[in-house]
Amino acid sequence: QSVLTQPPSASGTPGQRVTISCSGSSSNIGSNTVNWYQQLPGTAPKLLIYSNNQRPSGVPDRFSGSKSGTSASLAISGLQSEDEADYYCAAWDDSLNGLLVFGTGTKVTVL
Amino acid sequence: QLQLQESGPGLVKPSETLSLTCTVSGGSISSSSYYWGWIRQPPGKGLEWIGSIYYSGSTYYNPSLKSRVTISVDTSKNQFSLKLSSVTAADTAVYYCARPRQQLAIDAFDIWGQGTMVTVSS
Repeated sequence: QSVLTQPPSASGTPGQRVTISCSGSSSNIGSNTVNWYQQLPGTAPKLLIYSNNQRPSGVPDRFSGSKSGTSASLAISGLQSEDEADYYCAAWDDSLNGLLVFGTGTKVTVL
Repeated sequence: QLQLQESGPGLVKPSETLSLTCTVSGGSISSSSYYWGWIRQPPGKGLEWIGSIYYSGSTYYNPSLKSRVTISVDTSKNQFSLKLSSVTAADTAVYYCARPRQQLAIDAFDIWGQGTMVTVSS
């Protein structure tokens, strides 16, 4: 049921910059803020970015978010081995009386 | 420090009702204006929002599940619960309870339970 589209995978070597896209529509990203989650294997998701580009306390500034129109992006600079995880975008969707939608997810591999 | 813990049967038969409870510790579920949410993740797949409940009882449900979902809150036990009726194998998933970082917000969950695996099988 995901209406937010992400690339299934992304990769980079340690120290590189990796960018993950999240494509939506006017009813979700186009009119609401975007959040990003990191999910390490076998663990619950962790809030990484909220309100498009804000980092919760404790999240390294290597992680940054942006939004433009109906798309959003998560950038990881100075990639580290511990960044290998699944990443999901999420946004409120104003259609059908409202629902929270998650992206399809992107697996980041550190080569 | 606020913590959430899911509990309930790990195995449910097809056509029966899945029932889970999320116990809140380290804070009162009714002391502030938060929504409390349920999210699930089928094995090897992505996240799906099931619904959220305000401490006073008002709810938001995922339209795709709305006809089968009931989320309730018990402030006296500091718990909120999920019931999903007429389950099928497609409802097999890890079920998480979570709380947003801001009061009156429904998204941006920054506190999560560890998750509980529920398998639908006869």
